[in-house]
Amino acid sequence: NAGVTQTPKFQVLKTGQSMTLQCAQDMNHEYMSWYRQDPGMGLRLIHYSVGAGITDQGEVPNGYNVSRSTTEDFPLRLLSAAPSQTSVYFCASSSLYEQYFGPGTRLTVT
Amino acid sequence: DAKTTQPPSMDCAEGRAANLPCNHSTISGNEYVYWYRQIHSQGPQYIIHGLKNNETNEMASLIITEDRKSSTLILPHATLRDTAVYYCIVRVASGYSTLTFGKGTMLLVSP
Repeated sequence: NAGVTQTPKFQVLKTGQSMTLQCAQDMNHEYMSWYRQDPGMGLRLIHYSVGAGITDQGEVPNGYNVSRSTTEDFPLRLLSAAPSQTSVYFCASSSLYEQYFGPGTRLTVT
Repeated sequence: DAKTTQPPSMDCAEGRAANLPCNHSTISGNEYVYWYRQIHSQGPQYIIHGLKNNETNEMASLIITEDRKSSTLILPHATLRDTAVYYCIVRVASGYSTLTFGKGTMLLVSP
């Protein structure tokens, strides 16, 4: 039981490049979400999903796309990276009472 | 979800109890109090949650006042590994809902 896994752990992008942050969970949870965390701040919700085929926006969705084709996977796509997207990204998977977070992806956009 | 207020930082000596307060005066009747912590550079970790009764698990105890307007997370014997940012969050527990993280309390446990 690996819990929530995220890849890559670190990534450096140039402005305008695109990439996908991967997130997978093996707990058969319907609810998954993506957060970003900037220095000295709490986590802010980007997008979430309540099940395969269903996604919705969180607090800071601009510049990010998501899809949910399977229960296990919830990738986050940056279509055209900007320096403002430099952050640490956390994926989470939820039961009704607990959220389980992945180890995070540290993204730097130059 | 109701908002919470926590002190920005606290210190604790290793081996002593750490008592972390949280105010949530606008909490609704169907909202639970949750505590998470985030050790440096790691993802947040669930600690405990409760509705109105005091709760205890292997990590901590949660004391909720009778009027539910405040709560205290207790780490009974703090260790250096408990140094982390602790987040108090209130949320409804019926169905799925997101967590709204504030800035939390930075707990520093010293030898």
